[in-house]
Amino acid sequence: EAQVTQNPRYLITVTGKKLTVTCSQNMNHEYMSWYRQDPGLGLRQIYYSMNVEVTDKGDVPEGYKVSRKEKRNFPLILESPSPNQTSLYFCASSNGQFFSSYNEQFFGPGTRLTVL
Amino acid sequence: GDSVTQMEGPVTLSEEAFLTINCTYTATGYPSLFWYVQYPGEGLQLLLKATKADDKGSNKGFEATYRKETTSFHLEKGSVQVSDSAVYFCALSSTGGGNKLTFGTGTQLKVEL
Repeated sequence: EAQVTQNPRYLITVTGKKLTVTCSQNMNHEYMSWYRQDPGLGLRQIYYSMNVEVTDKGDVPEGYKVSRKEKRNFPLILESPSPNQTSLYFCASSNGQFFSSYNEQFFGPGTRLTVL
Repeated sequence: GDSVTQMEGPVTLSEEAFLTINCTYTATGYPSLFWYVQYPGEGLQLLLKATKADDKGSNKGFEATYRKETTSFHLEKGSVQVSDSAVYFCALSSTGGGNKLTFGTGTQLKVEL
């Protein structure tokens, strides 16, 4: 089954304790992306990756890091989480038609993060 | 920059009522337009899409028409069901913008018996 998986689905942590949220896709997609969803703000892009070893900032990258060492995986790293990073996080992937405006994205189930 | 504006919710309807969720956009070039749906506790699923002006996207009884002249992509359904209760997001992907999606803030729909 074609899918995007994220782990963990729920996480409660404390300020300053480094954490990683994993994302994996089995569709051989070049493009992967992280979004955060906050009430009244919709989804905002944090980072994206156009292919292995190619990553770039989205609209709200502060406080986050990513890596893309393998095509299927795109972990999101919070080196020193703060309460304002409490949010619902989604990973997404799509194929690499970068010059087309139609690129259907497939979303993971979400990770609900609470930073105390 | 690109932006999407959609009507605020929550929207509460009775079963079999007509649904409209308004969405307007600002973008350069010729964006593709999407409606995503998020059921409680789940991720986003693509509901329908339109990639050029006057295209009509449709799925599961929902429809939306890409109106370039009014920069709109309103979501409609003739008869909603309780199972349609979810959050609906309007989104766009700009020409040459690669795969980035710009989302609206979402509209929560609640359908009651």
